[in-house]
Amino acid sequence: KAGVTQTPRYLIKTRGQQVTLSCSPISGHRSVSWYQQTPGQGLQFLFEYFSETQRNKGNFPGRFSGRQFSNSRSEMNVSTLELGDSALYLCASSLSSGIPSTDTQYFGPGTRLTVL
Amino acid sequence: AQSVTQLGSHVSVSEGALVLLRCNYSSSVPPYLFWYVQYPNQGLQLLLKYTSAATLVKGINGFEAEFKKSETSFHLTKPSAHMSDAAEYFCAVSDQAGTALIFGKGTTLSVSS
Repeated sequence: KAGVTQTPRYLIKTRGQQVTLSCSPISGHRSVSWYQQTPGQGLQFLFEYFSETQRNKGNFPGRFSGRQFSNSRSEMNVSTLELGDSALYLCASSLSSGIPSTDTQYFGPGTRLTVL
Repeated sequence: AQSVTQLGSHVSVSEGALVLLRCNYSSSVPPYLFWYVQYPNQGLQLLLKYTSAATLVKGINGFEAEFKKSETSFHLTKPSAHMSDAAEYFCAVSDQAGTALIFGKGTTLSVSS
């Protein structure tokens, strides 16, 4: 079974621009979560989608948004980029149908975003 | 609210030595706990998870962790370190809904020959 895939793997943008990152979950997984990883703040939860609905959201400004499509693929968007948005953005998928869930989250390789 | 503290941002061991990575949690409900490993330029790989079944959890690559409620700990151990174990290790607790992971700051494990 193919794992979680993320595109692109690397991205360079300038301040003020916007960016869209893509995530394809493991086949059959309907939950997709996004995390931001930085040296200073570590791994932080952004949001989680299940069946095209946002079920959970972390403490990030409204510049960070996401969506999920009917095939479970997900995108996240960051508008008006700031230098501090430079990070590794990780996507994870799981079965996670019910709440609470103990299903494992499987991570993709991440997208490395650099903001200049 | 759930939180995780990993003691020691960097641990160094010799090849063949015991590996012990420490994790303490705080949770208002029975926790679901996880250990993930991250190799350079890669995503996170699950080593093991605790979901209130057996308190001693065995994972991949010879790692195991013991859930101790009285100590609010979930330390990761491996009897004999291998060079390939060098990586960053993250302890995580699931939020109450089970849809988000709350991670510790991570511990970098170095293994010397």
